[in-house]
Amino acid sequence: GIQVEQSPPDLILQEGANSTLRCNFSDSVNNLQWFHQNPWGQLINLFYIPSGTKQNGRLSATTVATERYSLLYISSSQTTDSGVYFCAAPQGAGNMLTFGGGTRLMVKP
Amino acid sequence: GAVVSQHPSRVICKSGTSVKIECRSLDFQATTMFWYRQFPKQSLMLMATSNEGSKATYEQGVEKDKFLINHASLTLSTLTVTSAHPEDSSFYICSAPTGPSNEKLFFGSGTQLSVL
Repeated sequence: GIQVEQSPPDLILQEGANSTLRCNFSDSVNNLQWFHQNPWGQLINLFYIPSGTKQNGRLSATTVATERYSLLYISSSQTTDSGVYFCAAPQGAGNMLTFGGGTRLMVKP
Repeated sequence: GAVVSQHPSRVICKSGTSVKIECRSLDFQATTMFWYRQFPKQSLMLMATSNEGSKATYEQGVEKDKFLINHASLTLSTLTVTSAHPEDSSFYICSAPTGPSNEKLFFGSGTQLSVL
């Protein structure tokens, strides 16, 4: 099945800093999603981005499907951005997702 | 976005008891729901796919007799952990796809199960 790898595994930022999170996947995909898991465990859908670039406030994401990677950009980070960021891609032809290992982000005030 | 409700949020039970977790899609219908398990500081691992009106599909290594799944209606799926043991302690999360091609996945708030 598809392999999804994320880097870095851990990241500590000072409030206001920018960062880039990376997601590599082993096969071509038609669905790539980014999620944020807050400290209470809730997963929030950030982006559905099989290709191209999308922006939502301080967050943006780019997927280069032909090169099998996606990037999540966080600008002007805030303490509330802390948590774990996951990317996920479909396993096979269905819509069940395989998750990467996540990037654990801590933003310090 | 779509809303998926999951209850209870936290369960503490004795070893040998059974625990039922409910997952509801509140503002859309879901013929399919997914159940994931997450151990501390690890990623989400798919356990099974719940299918309305038919049997669930379990991932390799997941015991179907231990993790009973029932998709009773288009808005409700339940996961029952039978004869729970301490090694079953984990964070269980349900999700449901939505969108024109069911391409987007929305998650419940999760259930932290602690088996004593």
